Amino acid sequence: GQQVMQIPQYQHVQEGEDFTTYCNSSTTLSNIQWYKQRPGGHPVFLIQLVKSGEVKKQKRLTFQFGEAKKNSSLHITATQTTDVGTYFCAGAGNNRKLIWGLGTSLAVNP
Amino acid sequence: DSGVTQTPKHLITATGQRVTLRCSPRSGDLSVYWYQQSLDQGLQFLIHYYNGEERAKGNILERFSAQQFPDLHSELNLSSLELGDSALYFCASSVGTSSTYEQYFGPGTRLTVT
Repeated sequence: GQQVMQIPQYQHVQEGEDFTTYCNSSTTLSNIQWYKQRPGGHPVFLIQLVKSGEVKKQKRLTFQFGEAKKNSSLHITATQTTDVGTYFCAGAGNNRKLIWGLGTSLAVNP
Repeated sequence: DSGVTQTPKHLITATGQRVTLRCSPRSGDLSVYWYQQSLDQGLQFLIHYYNGEERAKGNILERFSAQQFPDLHSELNLSSLELGDSALYFCASSVGTSSTYEQYFGPGTRLTVT
C-alpha cells in the first residue's frame, strides 16, 4: 500500500542553523500537507502543496513539492527556539486518503 | 484555539474497562477524524466520519468503535482496554470529505490504562 516516509526522525540543531525535513512517497501524490506539533500540543496545519514543482514560503519556512509529486521538503532558515516541535507531512494518493509520515522531531539548542 | 473541543482532557482507567472519548468539531465542519498517538510515535489514523457516515477506516482495533451523531459531535469508544492502549487520542475536523481540506485538531485526550 501507499507509504509516506519522513527523514530524519530526529534532528538537533544550534539556534541559527538551517533545518530540512524530507517526505518521500512510494506513489504519486495528489497533494501534500505539512503540520507542526509543539511539545505537549496538537498538530497545527501549516500548508498544502498541490502542483508539481510548487514552492511556497512562510517567513523562514520554505516548502517544496517535487516535480514527480512523490516527495516534498520543509526547510527552515536560521532556526529559532520557537521552531521546536515535530513536523509531519501527510500525503494524499489517488484514493484521496491522507497518509501520514512519522514526523521529524526538531530540537533547537539556544 | 482550533475550535475543536475534546473531553475529557485526561482519563485514567484500569485494564479491561471501557471508556468513551468525545469530540465536537469546528462549527461548520462535517468531517471528524480520530487519531492515536503513542509516546514518541507518529499519528495513527483510526477512523473518519463525514456527516454521520463512516468514510474511511485506518488502523482501528475491533475493540474500538466510533460514531458521529446528527449534531456532528463524535464519540470514540474503547473497550477491553489494555496497557498498550495508553496514548494521546486526537480528534480533528475539516469542512469537506476529501484530503484536500486542512484538518483542525483538538487538544487531545490523554488515556492512561493501569
